[in-house]
Amino acid sequence: KAGVTQTPRYLIKTRGQQVTLSCSPISGHRSVSWYQQTPGQGLQFLFEYFSETQRNKGNFPGRFSGRQFSNSRSEMNVSTLELGDSALYLCASSPMGQGSSYEQYFGPGTRLTVT
Amino acid sequence: TQLLEQSPQFLSIQEGENLTVYCNSSSVFSSLQWYRQEPGEGPVLLVTVVTGGEVKKLKRLTFQFGDARKDSSLHITAAQPGDTGLYLCAGAQGGSQGNLIFGKGTKLSVKP
Repeated sequence: KAGVTQTPRYLIKTRGQQVTLSCSPISGHRSVSWYQQTPGQGLQFLFEYFSETQRNKGNFPGRFSGRQFSNSRSEMNVSTLELGDSALYLCASSPMGQGSSYEQYFGPGTRLTVT
Repeated sequence: TQLLEQSPQFLSIQEGENLTVYCNSSSVFSSLQWYRQEPGEGPVLLVTVVTGGEVKKLKRLTFQFGDARKDSSLHITAAQPGDTGLYLCAGAQGGSQGNLIFGKGTKLSVKP
């Protein structure tokens, strides 16, 4: 089974621009979560989508948004980029079946640099 | 806000040594997971513990979930250079599916 894939792997943007990151979950996984990882804050939860609906949201400003498509693929968007948005953005999928224990399978991440 | 505190933050040891990494919280978690992350990659799930007092072994790695389900430890016996990486614990809150709370990690370096 193919793992979680994320595109692009690396991205350089300028302050004020917007960016869209893409994630394809493991086949059959219906839950997709997004995390931001920085050296200072570690891994922080952004949001989770299940069956095209946002089910949970972390404590991030409205500039961060996401969506999920009917094939479970997900995108996240960051508008009006700030220098502090530079981070590794990780996508994780989960089967979320009955009795599952919220195990997450992560992609390799997208390294976003804002200049 | 629930927090998971990991200690130590950094650990540098020689091949063959034993080590223990701790993950503590004041909150109860329905399950706790351990991940290892290598530079430039996403975290890889090592184990999930669910029951208070549970002990799981994965080759030279031993994971324990505290009786009260608030803390966990990871013990590595006879560490090898291949064990080098960032070890992360993550707690799941019942009912908040897909929302894991992560500790900041322990960066382990095992020198040959």
